[in-house]
Amino acid sequence: TQLLEQSPQFLSIQEGENLTVYCNSSSVFSSLQWYRQEPGEGPVLLVTVVTGGEVKKLKRLTFQFGDARKDSSLHITAAQPGDTGLYLCAGLSWGKLQFGAGTQVVVTP
Amino acid sequence: DADVTQTPRNRITKTGKRIMLECSQTKGHDRMYWYRQDPGLGLRLIYYSFDVKDINKGEISDGYSVSRQAQAKFSLSLESAIPNQTALYFCATSEGNEQFFGPGTRLTVL
Repeated sequence: TQLLEQSPQFLSIQEGENLTVYCNSSSVFSSLQWYRQEPGEGPVLLVTVVTGGEVKKLKRLTFQFGDARKDSSLHITAAQPGDTGLYLCAGLSWGKLQFGAGTQVVVTP
Repeated sequence: DADVTQTPRNRITKTGKRIMLECSQTKGHDRMYWYRQDPGLGLRLIYYSFDVKDINKGEISDGYSVSRQAQAKFSLSLESAIPNQTALYFCATSEGNEQFFGPGTRLTVL
């Protein structure tokens, strides 16, 4: 059973466009993390959000944590080819992470 | 040098064979994890260890076993491999809430 649902599963856009990836759950997590994974490598942490309603910015990436701490979104402004990758959300509970299935993002020049 | 290393990086084996995947870390972290990744399913936790004397089953431990030989080493074994264990396997370590992943082992069971 997938506790974290990510949408869309796949997203292909042109360089310069904006995109949003969603992560939804019926469970409450103490914190939620976003990772990016590139081919042949393990996931790398982008951000951790902890407080309901929290917004964090990392250059062109904006992360939001829902008020009820059950959902999150990742927005990329003016996407670049270097943003291509698999984006995974993960909820932290009792020291363990529960991962979503991921959203594959492809940004073409 | 990589902080979390996995060997082998690729392995093809046959049904019924015993396989061991090894993970080493130089980060000095107490917590280590084994995940498998399948298309459309994300990463699922197989086993985890919060220190050398601690071993815990994860979400999908059936058919797998682990050994924590030292703080730096955590091995995953498939006692009798079957085709549906074909997947990408990741080892990770953590200190606090951030997890650091190895490069993965691609295992194919024929």
